[in-house]
Amino acid sequence: DVKVTQSSRYLVKRTGEKVFLECVQDMDHENMFWYRQDPGLGLRLIYFSYDVKMKEKGDIPEGYSVSREKKERFSLILESASTNQTSMYLCASSFLTGSTGELFFGEGSRLTVL
Amino acid sequence: GENVEQHPSTLSVQEGDSAVIKCTYSDSASNYFPWYKQELGKRPQLIIDIRSNVGEKKDQRIAVTLNKTAKHFSLHITETQPEDSAVYFCAAQYSGGGADGLTFGKGTHLIIQP
Repeated sequence: DVKVTQSSRYLVKRTGEKVFLECVQDMDHENMFWYRQDPGLGLRLIYFSYDVKMKEKGDIPEGYSVSREKKERFSLILESASTNQTSMYLCASSFLTGSTGELFFGEGSRLTVL
Repeated sequence: GENVEQHPSTLSVQEGDSAVIKCTYSDSASNYFPWYKQELGKRPQLIIDIRSNVGEKKDQRIAVTLNKTAKHFSLHITETQPEDSAVYFCAAQYSGGGADGLTFGKGTHLIIQP
């Protein structure tokens, strides 16, 4: 069974703080993704990575960065959190670079920025 | 980039009736169209997908149809049951090269009335 684990289910941070959201997958998947989920806006892609140390911008990368130092781990970084980054963040992974395949999601990390 | 429109945003049907959710996409190069189901408080999970060389695909009570000329695809659920209550997301992706994230629709909240 594929497992995608996000380190924190709920976080509360203050404006200006640096925030790290960690995601680990245990199926040796090449591709990893960070999505943001907001009511009425669906799932929007922030960043993705198809290999270690590789990253690509998604549709809404502004205010975010990512790190992929190991194949199984993909981190989302908010350098200076702002209130409009209050949201549910979903990590996902999939198999096979350059192909389509099922996305396996984590449970999500609900971030509140005060 | 790809743009996916999904309708309706909310759909309420009587238990046992059919439900249809429709999506349109903008990029004619897209060739992979999955549907994800997200139950309340849980992660999105793939329920069915279709590729552009196929016009229809069925899996028990759910089916997906694709019209490439019109650039739209639909999810059909027959004999709806209470456990079908969830948010459903359609998505589109081009798999021609590199790993791109899926572009999701905004979601449809399906409510099954007893």
